[in-house]
Amino acid sequence: TQLLEQSPQFLSIQEGENLTVYCNSSSVFSSLQWYRQEPGEGPVLLVTVVTGGEVKKLKRLTFQFGDARKDSSLHITAAQPGDTGLYLCAGDLLDSSYKLIFGSGTRLLVRP
Amino acid sequence: DSGVTQTPKHLITATGQRVTLRCSPRSGDLSVYWYQQSLDQGLQFLIQYYNGEERAKGNILERFSAQQFPDLHSELNLSSLELGDSALYFCASSVYGQGTQYFGPGTRLLVL
Repeated sequence: TQLLEQSPQFLSIQEGENLTVYCNSSSVFSSLQWYRQEPGEGPVLLVTVVTGGEVKKLKRLTFQFGDARKDSSLHITAAQPGDTGLYLCAGDLLDSSYKLIFGSGTRLLVRP
Repeated sequence: DSGVTQTPKHLITATGQRVTLRCSPRSGDLSVYWYQQSLDQGLQFLIQYYNGEERAKGNILERFSAQQFPDLHSELNLSSLELGDSALYFCASSVYGQGTQYFGPGTRLLVL
């Protein structure tokens, strides 16, 4: 059973479109991170959200942490081909298990 | 550049052999994590060290072992290698035992 469900798994969109990626769990997280990974490279941290209801913006990317700290979303406005990659959410469980729980990832392709 | 370094970048070896992967965490980070990522698979947590002590264990095979040295660098030892061990191996570090992790560029292991 995946503790962090990420959806959709795959997304192919046209340049200029908007998209949202979701990360859901029944567990509560003390923090949640979003990463982007290019093929053959390590995940690169995009943002960390800590407070329930928190919204963070990074240029065209908007990240939201659910009020109950069980879910998060990533919204990309006017997607560009450079946004293509694997997006991973990862949560830090509140039960001090010291493990970062990763979602299965969303593979995004933005077509020019 | 995350500040986490991993060597070597690529490694090709034969079944039955033993290899050592090395990781240097970001300056000031006390915790090191090891992950395995097979082709089109998610990140599988292997093991975590915090300030030289093993903190958490994930899906790490008995043929694999790791340690963190007094200077906080870490090594992952993989022995009796099998074809299925071919994967990307990532190291990540964090300041404390939880929270945001920063990933290295990975070591690509190919077992022939």
